[in-house]
Amino acid sequence: DAGVIQSPRHEVTEMGQEVTLRCKPISGHNSLFWYRQTMMRGLELLIYFNNNVPIDDSGMPEDRFSAKMPNASFSTLKIQPSEPRDSAVYFCASSPRGSDSPLHFGNGTRLTVT
Amino acid sequence: GQQVMQIPQYQHVQEGEDFTTYCNSSTTLSNIQWYKQRPGGHPVFLIQLVKSGEVKKQKRLTFQFGEAKKNSSLHITATQTTDVGTYFCAFTGGSQGNLIFGKGTKLSVKP
Repeated sequence: DAGVIQSPRHEVTEMGQEVTLRCKPISGHNSLFWYRQTMMRGLELLIYFNNNVPIDDSGMPEDRFSAKMPNASFSTLKIQPSEPRDSAVYFCASSPRGSDSPLHFGNGTRLTVT
Repeated sequence: GQQVMQIPQYQHVQEGEDFTTYCNSSTTLSNIQWYKQRPGGHPVFLIQLVKSGEVKKQKRLTFQFGEAKKNSSLHITATQTTDVGTYFCAFTGGSQGNLIFGKGTKLSVKP
């Protein structure tokens, strides 16, 4: 079991640039979550997919953020254009059966927008 | 929206001392999960509690779910430096049954 794989581990970009974060969930897990972690706001759920379908995207900050899950083994989170306040650690997590089962987190992507 | 309050926010202990973190909700929870995040790491699942009054143990860690299912606690006996990290409670809530995390309790252990 390779676990949840996220890339890149670190991303430094300038304000206004497009950023794409990638996630490969654990095989067989049907739920995928994107969280953002900051000191001020803690762990915030951005979006939750079940069987590749977005179930709840109410946590997505604004139209600059978009997420896709084209198949069961891949998801992306895109920020366009990026802003300094987007700087955070972005975690992807997957679970076998939604939020009633344990979430397995990836190592995260640390994003810095200058 | 629905949320839980975790206390304390920070706890500094001497190695060998006990540690407890609490998670309190104003509404009844269907279940509660606990996670640990080491410095620079990612949250790692520890346990899930579902039943009223449930108590589960993992070596030096004891987890409890309140009778009213509105609060939970994590107790560590005789802390070790390997216990350092932030402990989060999380519950299924919101309109879509998402997993919502508390703000966490950051534990530091002085050797």
